[in-house]
Amino acid sequence: QKEVEQDPGPLSVPEGAIVSLNCTYSNSAFQYFMWYRQYSRKGPELLTYTYSSGNKEDGRFTAQVDKSSKYISLFIRDSQPSDSATYLCAPERGGATNKLIFGTGTLLAVQP
Amino acid sequence: ETGVTQSPTHLIKTRGQQVTLRCSSQSGHNTVSWYQQALGQGPQFIFQYYREEENGRGNFPPRFSGLQFPNYSSELNVNALELDDSALYLCASSPGGGTGNTIYFGEGSWLTVV
Repeated sequence: QKEVEQDPGPLSVPEGAIVSLNCTYSNSAFQYFMWYRQYSRKGPELLTYTYSSGNKEDGRFTAQVDKSSKYISLFIRDSQPSDSATYLCAPERGGATNKLIFGTGTLLAVQP
Repeated sequence: ETGVTQSPTHLIKTRGQQVTLRCSSQSGHNTVSWYQQALGQGPQFIFQYYREEENGRGNFPPRFSGLQFPNYSSELNVNALELDDSALYLCASSPGGGTGNTIYFGEGSWLTVV
């Protein structure tokens, strides 16, 4: 079983839709939960992160973590064609080494 | 722009050869991590350097080695290249090596092994 599971998609939505992207994880020791956006053939770009359970809003992006069910979500409001990219969830295995454990990524296409 | 720069951006090597990839960390960051991203997969942690010392290693063989310099820039070396080493190699920097330090990635170096 992978430590982080993510539906690879692709997910296609119309412009303006609310997008929900999700991951599940197995390691209860994860404390920080990152979301990265990766455009084709580019490096991952940090979108937002949360610490432990709860919500965090960053502009049109809201990250949510439910540690009891080991479920991570990213919501994108008013989606734009420029949001078309791969979205990677990445819990951090804490301790002396801040190592990220990535899901496979979900490919999102926002249709104009 | 994250301020993390990598070189070269693309390169092609032959199986059995050796390759060196380079990374300059963001100003003020003393920690550099390297990740390998195969096509269609998420990045996988190779190792991390904190203040010139290795500070954690992923499940990669010893032919993957690294170095961090006093200015916190870093190199990734891969010996005896195999076809499966073809991937995007990502460098990431952070202001520290411990938990909670935000990690920023460069644009990566595309390695093709033929």
